[in-house]
Amino acid sequence: GENVEQHPSTLSVQEGDSAVIKCTYSDSASNYFPWYKQELGKRPQLIIDIRSNVGEKKDQRIAVTLNKTAKHFSLHITETQPEDSAVYFCAASFGFGNEKLTFGTGTRLTIIP
Amino acid sequence: GAVVSQHPSWVICKSGTSVKIECRSLDFQATTMFWYRQFPKQSLMLMATSNEGSKATYEQGVEKDKFLINHASLTLSTLTVTSAHPEDSSFYICSAMGGRATDTQYFGPGTRLTVL
Repeated sequence: GENVEQHPSTLSVQEGDSAVIKCTYSDSASNYFPWYKQELGKRPQLIIDIRSNVGEKKDQRIAVTLNKTAKHFSLHITETQPEDSAVYFCAASFGFGNEKLTFGTGTRLTIIP
Repeated sequence: GAVVSQHPSWVICKSGTSVKIECRSLDFQATTMFWYRQFPKQSLMLMATSNEGSKATYEQGVEKDKFLINHASLTLSTLTVTSAHPEDSSFYICSAMGGRATDTQYFGPGTRLTVL
């Protein structure tokens, strides 16, 4: 089955700086890659996703890049703010018809004021 | 849109009892729902995939007789933890998909189960 690795496990960033979280996946058939943000004791919330026919996607301060050849994708958060502090999970699935998500191990992001 | 609710948000039960957790899609019809388990400071582990009107598909290592899943309608799936034991204590989260139009999963708020 699919295996998703995520790095780093913890990340501390000064407020206003950028944060980058990286994930690699094992199955080249995966074609849907969402990122979720989870605050303590709360539900995971989808913040951005990308499909395999796209190399990059941006939504305000958040961007995701995908390199299908290398089988890795990254989350970029610019101009970080204290409310960005949370655990971030990447995931991968085969998309329509087999939407089971395999999650990465998570990154605890702390924004230092 | 795409709101998923779970009930209860937390439950404490005695060892040996059964607990039922409900997952509802409030503003869309969910043909597929997923049940996850999350231990403290760990990732989400998929337990089973639930399709409306059919039997759930369990992940390897998940006991289907212990974790009973029923997806009786397009807006409701239930997870029953039977004969619960302290090692079943965890955060259980469901997610729902809105059918063919999307492969995005929307998560419920989770249920914290504590078995004494």
